[in-house]
Amino acid sequence: TQLLEQSPQFLSIQEGENLTVYCNSSSVFSSLQWYRQEPGEGPVLLVTVVTGGEVKKLKRLTFQFGDARKDSSLHITAAQTGDTGLYLCAGTDSGTYKYIFGTGTRLKVLA
Amino acid sequence: EPEVTQTPSHQVTQMGQEVILRCVPISNHLYFYWYRQILGQKVEFLVSFYNNEISEKSEIFDDQFSVERPDGSNFTLKIRSTKLEDSAMYFCASSSGPKHYSNQPQHFGDGTRLSIL
Repeated sequence: TQLLEQSPQFLSIQEGENLTVYCNSSSVFSSLQWYRQEPGEGPVLLVTVVTGGEVKKLKRLTFQFGDARKDSSLHITAAQTGDTGLYLCAGTDSGTYKYIFGTGTRLKVLA
Repeated sequence: EPEVTQTPSHQVTQMGQEVILRCVPISNHLYFYWYRQILGQKVEFLVSFYNNEISEKSEIFDDQFSVERPDGSNFTLKIRSTKLEDSAMYFCASSSGPKHYSNQPQHFGDGTRLSIL
């Protein structure tokens, strides 16, 4: 069974702090997406990473795809209360072509 | 920006009844998907649909589930005889290309909350 493990599972920080969320697998992914999901809504795509070692920035969010395309990280600089939500990684396993979601990281940023 | 729309937002049904969840994908998208998310658990793939047929389905998508694109705009998920464990959020998604093509990501609707009593 392919798994995308995210850590930490829960994270509560003060506004202004930095944080990193990790997404790890034993499988190689042809691409990996990061989503944010608000309660009662569907996942909203933040970014897609494709190439091993790729780094993408989206304002205060920095996404990195591991060199071996088995892991990824999301770093948020100077977190704001509006960053609160469930962060999901998801990707296409390059061997099976199955699209799977990570276990999720629930972030709460306190004012 | 075009979006995927799902109706109803909340469906309450008696166990054993049939339910149809509806989705209107983004108009120029060709690939359609259903996912479910049981409360507090991760998003799980159910089925993908392309060219009027199922292209892939998961172990969850058993004989009680079916999908259909009855016209040019709607994409439906039918659960024939609902069980308590079918209670979940059901998300529809669409994309312009196959999911394993990285530059054609999936866009998700806001989901239908299905509650089986």
